[in-house]
Amino acid sequence: GENVEQHPSTLSVQEGDSAVIKCTYSDSASNYFPWYKQELGKGPQLIIDIRSNVGEKKDQRIAVTLNKTAKHFSLHITETQPEDSAVYFCAASRIPGGGNKLTFGTGTQLKVEL
Amino acid sequence: SAVISQKPSRDICQRGTSLTIQCQVDSQVTMMFWYRQQPGQSLTLIATANQGSEATYESGFVIDKFPISRPNLTFSTLTVSNMSPEDSSIYLCSVPTTRTGGRTEAFFGQGTRLTVV
Repeated sequence: GENVEQHPSTLSVQEGDSAVIKCTYSDSASNYFPWYKQELGKGPQLIIDIRSNVGEKKDQRIAVTLNKTAKHFSLHITETQPEDSAVYFCAASRIPGGGNKLTFGTGTQLKVEL
Repeated sequence: SAVISQKPSRDICQRGTSLTIQCQVDSQVTMMFWYRQQPGQSLTLIATANQGSEATYESGFVIDKFPISRPNLTFSTLTVSNMSPEDSSIYLCSVPTTRTGGRTEAFFGQGTRLTVV
């Protein structure tokens, strides 16, 4: 089955700096890679996703890159703000065929300091 | 996006008892998923709740411990049976939603935080 590794487990940045979180996956058939933000006491919230036919996607201060050959993808947050502090999870899935089941990375605790 | 409501939001239960968690979606969906998030850990898929048939369980999870019902296309329940402290986790319901153009996204409920004492 799919295995997703995520690094780093914790990340502390100064407000305004950039943050980068990296994930690798093992199943070459995976073609859908979402990123979730989880705040304390809440369920994960989808913030951005990318499909394997695209190498990069941006949404305001958030961007995701995908290297299908190397089987890794990254989340980039620019101009970080205190409200970006949360746990971030990457995930991988096969759509269709994988039944929309997600395999999650281990999570990154991001802390944005003033 | 789908609106997913889970009940209860949290509970403290005695070991040996069972708890049933409800997941209600504001639209009809073919599949619903149940995940477990142990303290400080990532999310692990428990099972896929199929309407009209038995749930499909992932490796390490069994029906006797986590019975699931899916009576219709907007509702599912997960029961955690004969609980032990190791079952203390957040249990999350997830629904894939297909947008216009065929894009599928997975949305999550707010979770049920279970503590077993």
